[in-house]
Amino acid sequence: KNQVEQSPQSLIILEGKNCTLQCNYTVSPFSNLRWYKQDTGRGPVSLTIMTFSENTKSNGRYTATLDADTKQSSLHITASQLSDSASYICVVSPRNVYNQGGKLIFGQGTELSVKP
Amino acid sequence: DGGITQSPKYLFRKEGQNVTLSCEQNLNHDAMYWYRQDPGQGLRLIYYSQIVNDFQKGDIAEGYSVSREKKESFPLTVTSAQKNPTAFYLCASRRLLAGGAHTYNEQFFGPGTRLTVL
Repeated sequence: KNQVEQSPQSLIILEGKNCTLQCNYTVSPFSNLRWYKQDTGRGPVSLTIMTFSENTKSNGRYTATLDADTKQSSLHITASQLSDSASYICVVSPRNVYNQGGKLIFGQGTELSVKP
Repeated sequence: DGGITQSPKYLFRKEGQNVTLSCEQNLNHDAMYWYRQDPGQGLRLIYYSQIVNDFQKGDIAEGYSVSREKKESFPLTVTSAQKNPTAFYLCASRRLLAGGAHTYNEQFFGPGTRLTVL
């Protein structure tokens, strides 16, 4: 069964600190993996997207890594800011997804809280 | 939120009522999607549509209905048959980017509608 599991479920860090969020998936074969940021009461916004052949992708203070062999991805946030407080969602796209209507497999999210 | 709008932002429903959530996009995307989000769970697909006048059931379609009469619009009706409709509903639309041997399936999300049953 295609699944995406994220850890930790929630995380509290102090402003200025770094943190790393984890994502394990069993989707196979897969086309790409993305990380979304979702502010409370808002829709998710894409942070990074990586194909199965990419190892890392950066977007400002956000760096995503992907190990296709172990089926793991991580999102590293550097020098956290209060505005980083949000839910971070790992999403995997099965290969040939276009023929499957564009379905995506969503993780349950990690709730990050950055405190001053 | 891009060019996807959802309305209303908050919606309250009484038991036994049908309610309709609006989703409009001006991105010229072909495909549109409806998701339900509950606390502690990943987004779950309700319905999706790849072209006008065609749509398919997702993983949790029971108690919901949709229509796709225009490319820009994909309204979702939550019927009285949906026993636990209180949730956050997200609409998304898709563009297809060809990247050499890889094909991205980027979905853009609207701001969401929070539905509460009274």
